[in-house]
Amino acid sequence: DSGVTQTPKHLITATGQRVTLRCSPRSGDLSVYWYQQSLDQGLQFLIQYYNGEERAKGNILERFSAQQFPDLHSELNLSSLELGDSALYFCASSVGGVRDSPLHFGNGTRLTVT
Amino acid sequence: GENVEQHPSTLSVQEGDSAVIKCTYSDSASNYFPWYKQELGKGPQLIIDIRSNVGEKKDQRIAVTLNKTAKHFSLHITETQPEDSAVYFCAGDTGRRALTFGSGTRLQVQP
Repeated sequence: DSGVTQTPKHLITATGQRVTLRCSPRSGDLSVYWYQQSLDQGLQFLIQYYNGEERAKGNILERFSAQQFPDLHSELNLSSLELGDSALYFCASSVGGVRDSPLHFGNGTRLTVT
Repeated sequence: GENVEQHPSTLSVQEGDSAVIKCTYSDSASNYFPWYKQELGKGPQLIIDIRSNVGEKKDQRIAVTLNKTAKHFSLHITETQPEDSAVYFCAGDTGRRALTFGSGTRLQVQP
């Protein structure tokens, strides 16, 4: 068990809808990272937060947004969903930046858009 | 930007044999290279990592080697066991403060 908790485990929704994925990092970790894993794209970095502030952005669509709250949990909001957004969404956490401390991943949220 | 190439995409070995997975990277500023193991239905799990000031690191049956000049690093698993069957990902740090992952290697250990 990595200590990173993601909810829900599965999510099925229709095109055009909006969903929120939640992540609780390991105790003591200040950084949260979101990754998308699809069959043909591998693990794609979306966004990183450190202690409530956005630190780095990857290939995150404008329809997607995230935030990290004062208690350090994070939420990833996906809106105007398309079929191609179906994927596994992983959250990872670390004490500091990626060069300072290892990333620990949760077990993901599987999103299916129908 | 950072690009990490990984091969092979699939690897099948007999139990007890060794397995080697190779990765190359493009960003010469990268200095942290972890390896993750992902089992079905789970998130990637860190199994070993190496930093650029070290050429090799071992942890029991797992070892990683790094050639910073050639910009490649490899994962070596010796005395493979059926429970080693999984998808393995290499990764490298990037200037964007995130890990860039390789495309994964599906390792199957035949009993």
